Amino acid sequence: DAGVIQSPRHEVTEMGQEVTLRCKPISGHDYLFWYRQTMMRGLELLIYFNNNVPIDDSGMPEDRFSAKMPNASFSTLKIQPSEPRDSAVYFCASSTRQRPYEQYFGPGTRLTVT
Amino acid sequence: KQEVTQIPAALSVPEGENLVLNCSFTDSAIYNLQWFRQDPGKGLTSLLLIQSSQREQTSGRLNASLDKSSGRSTLYIAASQPGDSATYLCAALMNRDDKIIFGKGTRLHILP
Repeated sequence: DAGVIQSPRHEVTEMGQEVTLRCKPISGHDYLFWYRQTMMRGLELLIYFNNNVPIDDSGMPEDRFSAKMPNASFSTLKIQPSEPRDSAVYFCASSTRQRPYEQYFGPGTRLTVT
Repeated sequence: KQEVTQIPAALSVPEGENLVLNCSFTDSAIYNLQWFRQDPGKGLTSLLLIQSSQREQTSGRLNASLDKSSGRSTLYIAASQPGDSATYLCAALMNRDDKIIFGKGTRLHILP
């Protein structure tokens, strides 16, 4: 298996633009997690899905952030409009129902908003 | 509110030495405690997971311990190697809301 795949790996955009981050979890995994990592705040859970259904989105910072999982093999995290303080590395992770806490992380998307 | 702290933020150790990384948490109502490794520009890799009922877990040269009463976990690395250089993060999974709280990590550099 190729592991968790994220795209793009790097994204530079101007303030006010819409940004869409993509994730393909490991095939057969039931859970999908979106995290954000910054130097100041460390790694924070934004939202997670179980069988494509959002379970907890309390970590989503504000309404500018939204996440979808239309099917078991694809998820998006969208920021609209983007702001400089959204600059961070965004990670996607997935895990199985049998071992939900053994999360496999993708390589991350480094987002820079100027 | 749970806080997970890792001190020091960075550590340099000569190759071959044994070392201990520290993780402390303020709320002992945790379901489990995990240690992760993060290489530069990469995602996290799970190293060890300790359930709240356990005291320690071992994998190769790594040993993780958990003391819920004192709110502490340690990651012991034996006979350190340059390949161990990475950032090590601990994370606590909370009982009450299933939230996982990460420490900010300790950046470890093994000197060849």
